[in-house]
Amino acid sequence: DIQLTQSPSFLSASVGDRVTITCRASQGISSYLAWYQQKPGKAPNLLIYAASTLQSGVPSRFSGSGSGTEFTLTISSLQPEDFATYSCQQLNSYPLTFGGGTKVEIK
Amino acid sequence: EVQLVESGGGLVKPGGSLRLSCAASGFTFSSYSMNWVRQAPGKGLEWVSSISSSRIYIYYADSVKGRFTISRDNARNSLYLQMNSLRAEDTAVYYCARRYSGYTGDAFDIWGQGTVVTVSS
Repeated sequence: DIQLTQSPSFLSASVGDRVTITCRASQGISSYLAWYQQKPGKAPNLLIYAASTLQSGVPSRFSGSGSGTEFTLTISSLQPEDFATYSCQQLNSYPLTFGGGTKVEIK
Repeated sequence: EVQLVESGGGLVKPGGSLRLSCAASGFTFSSYSMNWVRQAPGKGLEWVSSISSSRIYIYYADSVKGRFTISRDNARNSLYLQMNSLRAEDTAVYYCARRYSGYTGDAFDIWGQGTVVTVSS
């Protein structure tokens, strides 16, 4: 099974900060990686797929990069509404797996 | 509007059964692979099961294999999850999700609002 390790698991940042979250896969997954944002009590919302493709309607301050085993999600200028938990997911092979999540707190 | 609506959650005793449903609307349901994902209280997302558009390919997480059965009815635009031999650790919010398969990659692009399953005596 492919394990996804996200870091950090928690971060606190100020509005306007640049934030980077890392997701490492235990084996190569090409670009079959997606990023989701989830707010308390809500379903996950797709932000990025294919490692770097921005989902329609998602603000351009979100971006993704990487391939193989190392991936990053970047928020270029953190906004108050970005308080949420971010999770990566690999869709390269079954069983599909998610990272443990990164909770972003606004300072 | 593209939408997924889950139902069927509730409180069940250990060893009991429950059947979850997911009603799809606003898109051609029969063209998409569908999935169940769960989230235990305070925990991360866990993929549970997937079924291909034609029902040929079915996959399960090891944690539910042999106890859960995924199915779909393309004529009714519905996805199901039959859950048997439920355990306390199956307690979670269960989401259905559509798998988008694009030119450059895949993702779960549409999610339902979730249905809560609580396994407790």
